[in-house]
Amino acid sequence: GNSVTQMEGPVTLSEEAFLTINCTYTATGYPSLFWYVQYPGEGLQLLLKATKADDKGSNKGFEATYRKETTSFHLEKGSVQVSDSAVYFCALSDQVDYKLSFGAGTTVTVRA
Amino acid sequence: GAVVSQHPSWVICKSGTSVKIECRSLDFQATTMFWYRQFPKQSLMLMATSNEGSKATYEQGVEKDKFLINHASLTLSTLTVTSAHPEDSSFYICSAIGGGPSYEQYFGPGTRLTVT
Repeated sequence: GNSVTQMEGPVTLSEEAFLTINCTYTATGYPSLFWYVQYPGEGLQLLLKATKADDKGSNKGFEATYRKETTSFHLEKGSVQVSDSAVYFCALSDQVDYKLSFGAGTTVTVRA
Repeated sequence: GAVVSQHPSWVICKSGTSVKIECRSLDFQATTMFWYRQFPKQSLMLMATSNEGSKATYEQGVEKDKFLINHASLTLSTLTVTSAHPEDSSFYICSAIGGGPSYEQYFGPGTRLTVT
Protein backbone atom coordinates (compact mmCIF):
# COMPACT_ATOMS: atom_id res chain seq x y z
CA GLY A 1 0.00 0.00 0.00
CA ASN A 2 0.88 3.65 -0.13
CA SER A 3 2.68 5.29 2.75
CA VAL A 4 4.51 8.49 3.57
CA THR A 5 7.33 8.86 6.05
CA GLN A 6 8.00 12.38 7.19
CA MET A 7 10.65 13.87 9.40
CA GLU A 8 9.17 14.30 12.83
CA GLY A 9 9.42 17.53 14.71
CA PRO A 10 9.03 19.71 16.34
CA VAL A 11 11.41 21.98 14.49
CA THR A 12 12.32 25.36 15.94
CA LEU A 13 14.18 27.90 13.85
CA SER A 14 15.17 31.52 13.93
CA GLU A 15 13.88 33.93 11.33
CA GLU A 16 15.79 33.82 8.03
CA ALA A 17 17.09 30.33 8.73
CA PHE A 18 16.99 27.55 6.13
CA LEU A 19 14.24 24.97 6.52
CA THR A 20 14.24 21.40 5.25
CA ILE A 21 11.60 18.81 6.04
CA ASN A 22 12.35 15.35 4.72
CA CYS A 23 9.65 13.21 3.14
CA THR A 24 9.94 9.80 1.54
CA TYR A 25 7.20 7.65 0.15
CA THR A 26 6.24 4.14 -0.83
CA ALA A 27 3.73 3.69 -3.59
CA THR A 28 2.76 1.52 -6.49
CA GLY A 29 2.54 3.23 -9.80
CA TYR A 30 3.14 6.92 -10.25
CA PRO A 31 1.64 8.96 -7.44
CA SER A 32 1.17 12.69 -7.22
CA LEU A 33 2.96 14.29 -4.27
CA PHE A 34 1.82 17.18 -2.12
CA TRP A 35 2.79 19.40 0.74
CA TYR A 36 -0.05 20.76 2.83
CA VAL A 37 0.20 23.39 5.55
CA GLN A 38 -2.03 23.83 8.57
CA TYR A 39 -1.73 27.17 10.33
CA PRO A 40 -2.85 27.38 13.96
CA GLY A 41 -6.61 27.14 14.19
CA GLU A 42 -7.10 26.72 10.45
CA GLY A 43 -7.77 23.93 7.98
CA LEU A 44 -5.32 22.34 5.59
CA GLN A 45 -4.14 24.33 2.64
CA LEU A 46 -2.29 23.00 -0.36
CA LEU A 47 1.19 24.49 -0.33
CA LEU A 48 2.61 22.88 -3.45
CA LYS A 49 2.43 19.74 -5.54
CA ALA A 50 4.20 17.71 -8.20
CA THR A 51 2.58 15.16 -10.43
CA LYS A 52 5.50 13.44 -12.12
CA ALA A 53 9.16 12.65 -11.65
CA ASP A 54 11.56 15.62 -11.67
CA ASP A 55 8.70 18.11 -11.35
CA LYS A 56 9.40 20.91 -8.91
CA GLY A 57 6.53 22.39 -6.97
CA SER A 58 6.97 25.88 -5.55
CA ASN A 59 4.88 28.41 -3.67
CA LYS A 60 5.50 31.19 -1.14
CA GLY A 61 9.25 30.57 -1.28
CA PHE A 62 8.88 26.85 -0.57
CA GLU A 63 10.12 24.25 -3.03
CA ALA A 64 10.04 20.48 -3.35
CA THR A 65 11.26 18.24 -6.17
CA TYR A 66 9.71 14.88 -7.02
CA ARG A 67 12.64 12.44 -6.93
CA LYS A 68 11.56 9.05 -8.21
CA GLU A 69 15.00 7.49 -7.82
CA THR A 70 15.09 8.24 -4.10
CA THR A 71 11.30 8.22 -3.63
CA SER A 72 11.54 11.57 -1.91
CA PHE A 73 9.81 14.95 -1.91
CA HIS A 74 11.72 17.08 0.58
CA LEU A 75 10.38 20.54 1.41
CA GLU A 76 12.79 23.48 1.53
CA LYS A 77 12.67 27.18 2.15
CA GLY A 78 15.73 29.37 2.10
CA SER A 79 14.67 32.03 4.59
CA VAL A 80 11.77 31.37 6.92
CA GLN A 81 9.58 33.96 8.57
CA VAL A 82 7.59 33.91 11.79
CA SER A 83 4.45 33.58 9.67
CA ASP A 84 5.71 30.20 8.40
CA SER A 85 5.06 28.69 11.82
CA ALA A 86 2.62 25.87 11.13
CA VAL A 87 2.27 22.12 10.78
CA TYR A 88 3.44 20.76 7.44
CA PHE A 89 2.13 17.51 5.99
CA CYS A 90 3.60 15.54 3.14
CA ALA A 91 1.05 13.50 1.22
CA LEU A 92 0.63 11.34 -1.84
CA SER A 93 -2.28 10.41 -4.02
CA ASP A 94 -2.47 7.67 -6.53
CA GLN A 95 -4.16 8.40 -9.80
CA VAL A 96 -6.78 5.71 -9.42
CA ASP A 97 -9.01 6.70 -6.52
CA TYR A 98 -7.30 10.00 -5.56
CA LYS A 99 -7.18 9.06 -1.90
CA LEU A 100 -4.54 10.98 0.04
CA SER A 101 -2.07 9.26 2.34
CA PHE A 102 -0.53 11.68 4.81
CA GLY A 103 2.73 11.75 6.68
CA ALA A 104 2.71 12.33 10.41
CA GLY A 105 3.12 16.09 10.11
CA THR A 106 5.99 18.31 11.21
CA THR A 107 5.41 21.23 13.54
CA VAL A 108 7.61 24.18 12.63
CA THR A 109 8.05 27.15 14.93
CA VAL A 110 9.94 30.19 13.71
CA ARG A 111 11.17 32.63 16.34
CA ALA A 112 11.88 36.28 15.71
CA GLY B 1 -12.73 29.61 -5.88
CA ALA B 2 -12.92 25.97 -4.67
CA VAL B 3 -14.09 26.72 -1.15
CA VAL B 4 -15.27 24.01 1.21
CA SER B 5 -17.14 24.84 4.38
CA GLN B 6 -17.98 22.77 7.42
CA HIS B 7 -20.68 23.28 10.01
CA PRO B 8 -20.48 23.46 12.90
CA SER B 9 -16.90 24.47 13.52
CA TRP B 10 -17.09 23.02 17.00
CA VAL B 11 -19.67 21.04 18.94
CA ILE B 12 -19.96 19.62 22.41
CA CYS B 13 -22.40 16.79 22.99
CA LYS B 14 -23.25 14.37 25.74
CA SER B 15 -22.30 10.73 25.63
CA GLY B 16 -24.95 8.64 23.90
CA THR B 17 -26.29 11.39 21.67
CA SER B 18 -25.75 11.80 17.93
CA VAL B 19 -24.23 14.74 16.16
CA LYS B 20 -24.29 15.70 12.48
CA ILE B 21 -21.49 17.51 10.70
CA GLU B 22 -22.07 19.13 7.32
CA CYS B 23 -19.54 19.58 4.55
CA ARG B 24 -20.40 21.86 1.64
CA SER B 25 -18.62 22.80 -1.54
CA LEU B 26 -19.57 26.43 -1.99
CA ASP B 27 -18.57 27.23 -5.53
CA PHE B 28 -18.17 23.92 -7.31
CA GLN B 29 -19.86 20.57 -7.62
CA ALA B 30 -18.09 17.89 -5.65
CA THR B 31 -18.27 14.50 -7.29
CA THR B 32 -16.35 12.96 -4.42
CA MET B 33 -15.91 13.99 -0.81
CA PHE B 34 -13.62 12.51 1.80
CA TRP B 35 -13.92 12.44 5.56
CA TYR B 36 -10.84 12.44 7.79
CA ARG B 37 -10.21 12.29 11.47
CA GLN B 38 -7.30 14.04 13.13
CA PHE B 39 -6.20 13.35 16.68
CA PRO B 40 -4.26 16.03 18.59
CA LYS B 41 -0.78 16.49 17.16
CA GLN B 42 -1.28 13.59 14.79
CA SER B 43 -1.85 13.14 11.11
CA LEU B 44 -5.09 12.84 9.22
CA MET B 45 -6.62 9.40 8.93
CA LEU B 46 -9.02 8.79 6.07
CA MET B 47 -12.33 7.50 7.34
CA ALA B 48 -14.41 7.17 4.20
CA THR B 49 -14.94 8.21 0.62
CA SER B 50 -18.31 9.61 -0.32
CA ASN B 51 -19.69 9.78 -3.85
CA GLU B 52 -22.88 11.63 -4.67
CA GLY B 53 -25.88 9.35 -4.85
CA SER B 54 -24.12 6.20 -3.72
CA LYS B 55 -23.08 4.55 -0.49
CA ALA B 56 -19.90 5.68 1.16
CA THR B 57 -16.83 3.47 1.09
CA TYR B 58 -15.30 3.10 4.53
CA GLU B 59 -11.66 2.47 5.33
CA GLN B 60 -10.72 -0.63 7.23
CA GLY B 61 -11.42 -0.31 10.93
CA VAL B 62 -14.00 2.45 10.62
CA GLU B 63 -17.42 1.50 11.97
CA LYS B 64 -19.94 2.32 9.27
CA ASP B 65 -22.86 2.06 11.69
CA LYS B 66 -21.27 4.60 14.02
CA PHE B 67 -20.13 7.07 11.39
CA LEU B 68 -23.02 7.51 8.96
CA ILE B 69 -22.15 9.35 5.79
CA ASN B 70 -24.67 10.74 3.34
CA HIS B 71 -23.77 12.50 0.11
CA ALA B 72 -27.20 13.67 -0.97
CA SER B 73 -26.18 16.27 -3.50
CA LEU B 74 -23.17 17.45 -5.45
CA THR B 75 -22.53 20.17 -2.88
CA LEU B 76 -23.32 18.51 0.44
CA SER B 77 -22.06 15.55 2.42
CA THR B 78 -22.92 14.87 6.04
CA LEU B 79 -21.19 12.81 8.71
CA THR B 80 -23.34 11.69 11.63
CA VAL B 81 -21.58 10.34 14.69
CA THR B 82 -24.16 8.10 16.31
CA SER B 83 -24.29 7.28 20.01
CA ALA B 84 -21.18 9.31 20.57
CA HIS B 85 -18.70 8.41 23.30
CA PRO B 86 -15.75 10.36 24.69
CA GLU B 87 -13.33 8.37 22.52
CA ASP B 88 -15.07 9.83 19.46
CA SER B 89 -13.83 13.27 20.48
CA SER B 90 -11.63 14.44 17.66
CA PHE B 91 -11.15 16.91 14.85
CA TYR B 92 -13.15 15.86 11.78
CA ILE B 93 -12.15 17.25 8.41
CA CYS B 94 -13.77 16.89 5.03
CA SER B 95 -12.37 17.46 1.60
CA ALA B 96 -13.91 17.61 -1.85
CA ILE B 97 -12.84 16.87 -5.39
CA GLY B 98 -14.48 18.34 -8.40
CA GLY B 99 -13.29 21.89 -8.70
CA GLY B 100 -10.94 21.32 -11.62
CA PRO B 101 -9.23 18.83 -13.91
CA SER B 102 -6.40 18.02 -11.53
CA TYR B 103 -8.60 16.16 -9.01
CA GLU B 104 -7.11 18.28 -6.28
CA GLN B 105 -8.71 17.89 -2.86
CA TYR B 106 -9.98 21.07 -1.24
CA PHE B 107 -10.24 20.89 2.52
CA GLY B 108 -12.82 22.26 4.88
CA PRO B 109 -11.71 24.06 8.05
CA GLY B 110 -12.62 21.11 10.26
CA THR B 111 -15.08 20.45 13.08
CA ARG B 112 -13.93 19.96 16.66
CA LEU B 113 -16.16 17.40 18.40
CA THR B 114 -16.02 17.01 22.16
CA VAL B 115 -18.11 14.30 23.78
CA THR B 116 -18.63 14.67 27.51
